[in-house]
Parts: sequence; structure tokens; C-alpha cells
Amino acid sequence: DVKVTQSSRYLVKRTGEKVFLECVQDMDHENMFWYRQDPGLGLRLIYFSYDVKMKEKGDIPEGYSVSREKKERFSLILESASTNQTSMYLCASSPTGHVEKLFFGSGTQLSVL
Amino acid sequence: GQNIDQPTEMTATEGAIVQINCTYQTSGFNGLFWYQQHAGEAPTFLSYNVLDGLEEKGRFSSFLSRSKGYSYLLLKELQMKDSASYLCARMDSNYQLIWGAGTKLIIKP
Repeated sequence: DVKVTQSSRYLVKRTGEKVFLECVQDMDHENMFWYRQDPGLGLRLIYFSYDVKMKEKGDIPEGYSVSREKKERFSLILESASTNQTSMYLCASSPTGHVEKLFFGSGTQLSVL
Repeated sequence: GQNIDQPTEMTATEGAIVQINCTYQTSGFNGLFWYQQHAGEAPTFLSYNVLDGLEEKGRFSSFLSRSKGYSYLLLKELQMKDSASYLCARMDSNYQLIWGAGTKLIIKP
């Protein structure tokens, strides 16, 4: 089974802190994605990557950056956390040619105080 | 816009059938997806429709009408474990998924 692992299930940070959310997948997938999920809204794409060292902005990249130094790892960085970044963050991966078959991690519930 | 509309919440009885509807913008359409998400867990893939018609997969079926911008997910012989949110998503012309807010399905004994 494909496994997508997010390093933290719950995280509490203070406004202005730099926050790293880590995601690792074990199925050699080329495509990786970061979404945020908020009540009453659909999943919103923050950033995605189709290859190592490659990154593309999604629909809501402001306030975030990403890093993909290795194929299996895709990190989401909040340079200076703000309260409006309190959310559930979901990482996902998919194989080449099948961007629709997303495998999600269990999510990180981030609270920024 | 890129709106995808689905009901916020539905309630059904164990053993019954329920249909969850989804409407979407038809321009730039490349497929329609359904995912299941149990509370506190990751979404998991259920179905993918790119052509009109009904796709059956066990107790779950998904229907698509491209001309009407309409899909539904049909769940038969409902079980308590089917209590979850069901997410509708369409793939756009850039092969990215645009997600609905999800339908919370509550199953009662």
C-alpha cells in the first residue's frame, strides 16, 4: 500500500514563527501536493511538484513556500505563521500520468495562536 | 467561476440507498472524482468518471452527465461505516483538481 506520512498530527505555533510541515511518501511517486482544508470550503491547493527541485504555485501560495530536495519528501514552509493559517494541512502524492489518483497523508492540524 | 456544488449534509438509514449530487462548471472539464473522508482521516479515492454514464463498484456507483455538469454518487445497502464526508472534485484543463466542500453523510440505525 502507498503510504504518505506527515510528520505531525497536531501542531501549535505562535504568530510569527517559522513552521515546517514534512511529508514523505514511499511509492516513488513523481507528483506531490500540499492542500489546506477548512470547514465549509473545498480542499485548496497551495503548492505542487512534479519532480525533484521542481515546484509550482497552486491557488493559494501566499505566505507559504515549499522544498523538494528528494523525490520522496515534500516540505511546506510557513515563513511567518499567522492566525489565518490555522487549518488542516494535507499532503498527497500520485504517480506519473495519474495526477487524479491522489494518495493523502493523515493531515496536520495546525493552530497558530 | 470554478464552483462545485454539493449538499452540506445528508442523513440516511442503515440498509437504505442514498444519492449524493454534485454540479460543476462544464468548461475545461477533464474528469469527475469522488473521494471519501472519515472524520479525522485522509480522503481516499472512490471513483473517476470521464465519460457519460454509470460506473458501478460494489455498493458504490458514480454517474456523470457532461452536458449537464452533473454527477452523483450512489451508495447502496448503507452501513454505519459509510458515515463520512464525500468529496466531489473535477479535473480542470490544467489537470488540477477543483474540490467541492464535501457532503457529510450521517447514517442512522
